[in-house]
Amino acid sequence: DTEVTQTPKHLVMGMTNKKSLKCEQHMGHRAMYWYKQKAKKPPELMFVYSYEKLSINESVPSRFSPECPNSSLLNLHLHALQPEDSALYLCASSQMQGENSPLHFGNGTRLTVT
Amino acid sequence: GESVGLHLPTLSVQEGDNSIINCAYSNSASDYFIWYKQESGKGPQFIIDIRSNMDKRQGQRVTVLLNKTVKHLSLQIAATQPGDSAVYFCAERSNYQLIWGAGTKLIIKP
Repeated sequence: DTEVTQTPKHLVMGMTNKKSLKCEQHMGHRAMYWYKQKAKKPPELMFVYSYEKLSINESVPSRFSPECPNSSLLNLHLHALQPEDSALYLCASSQMQGENSPLHFGNGTRLTVT
Repeated sequence: GESVGLHLPTLSVQEGDNSIINCAYSNSASDYFIWYKQESGKGPQFIIDIRSNMDKRQGQRVTVLLNKTVKHLSLQIAATQPGDSAVYFCAERSNYQLIWGAGTKLIIKP
């Protein structure tokens, strides 16, 4: 079992829907990440939060909106998505951003946009 | 773009044999390297890491080797088991970013 918990495991949404992905970690990590992964590809970085502040936005479209309510929680709000946004969305955490320590991943949310 | 690459996209290994998964990286300034295992339907799972001031690091049934001269990283899995079937990713930390390789699918033959 992973120490990073993501909900829901699966999500199907229409292009006009609004939904949110949630992530939680209780390892005391101060950096949290959102990645997008397409089939048979490595994860692609979307956002990084460091000490609950947005540190990196990899030019992600505004239809993806991250939020970090506290040091243990990370959300990704979705609105007006496109079918090409269908992917596995992974949350990860690490002790601190930029430090030489591994990222710990959740098992992801499998998103399908119809 | 990706600067970390793999020599073999798919590797088939007999159960019980040793597996070697290779990875090339392009940035000689990278100072930290990680191997992840990703099983079907799951997120990447940390296996082992190595800092650039080391050449070799061993874990349980796994060994990572770093050759900075030729910018090459390898993951050795001893006595490969069916549970080792997965996609394996190497990653390097460069300029505080994690750069991922393309991944190698490891297939275990019974």
